[in-house]
Amino acid sequence: EVQVVESGGDLVKPGGSLRLSCTASGFTFSNAWMNWVRQAPGKGLEWVGLIKSKTDGGTTDYAAPVKGRFTISRDDSKNTLSLQMNSLKSEDTAVYYCTPGGSGGSCYYWGQGTLVTVSS
Amino acid sequence: EIVLTQSPGTLSLSPGERATLSCRASQSISSSYLTWYQQKPGQAPRILIYGASTRATGISDRFSGSGSGTDFTLTISRLEPEDFAVYYCQHYGSSPPMYTFGQGTKLEIK
Repeated sequence: EVQVVESGGDLVKPGGSLRLSCTASGFTFSNAWMNWVRQAPGKGLEWVGLIKSKTDGGTTDYAAPVKGRFTISRDDSKNTLSLQMNSLKSEDTAVYYCTPGGSGGSCYYWGQGTLVTVSS
Repeated sequence: EIVLTQSPGTLSLSPGERATLSCRASQSISSSYLTWYQQKPGQAPRILIYGASTRATGISDRFSGSGSGTDFTLTISRLEPEDFAVYYCQHYGSSPPMYTFGQGTKLEIK
């Protein structure tokens, strides 16, 4: 059974930093392109970024609103995905989901998410 | 950059009725990269349809997807109480890799 579990969400002040983690099981993590998707309270889904498998170069791509502030990394030995968030803004307040990208770019599996609140 | 526009924003129907949800892309996209999700309050999204028309594992045959080019449709043939939720379409673009979501359609009980 595929499982993804996000953690690390917290209340942080504007300008602060936070690191989220995602632990995955039930699939070959090292082969997966992994995504972060977020959802602000009462709003829709917004893609944050992805990291390719090391086999495909291990490179990252980010959505414009977070580029230069957020960094995605992976530790395939621990089946763990991370999201380092710096220079946080109030508009980064959201539930953050980690999800492996499947064929055709579909996201078949989702965790329950972790809530990040940016507020003074 | 592809923009997905879903309509209507809110759809009010009764159980047993047929629901038709639209997702329009700002330019022609491959149907291979069009996915539909369902999300209920307090829950993570759940995949319904991938490749524009293929039901995901375990999804009722009351759900069907169609379309090509710029216009895609999710149809729910006979609404059950558990179908009332928010539905999102999503596109994957490969160069550079990025995901785009529509703004969602809320399906509510009339």
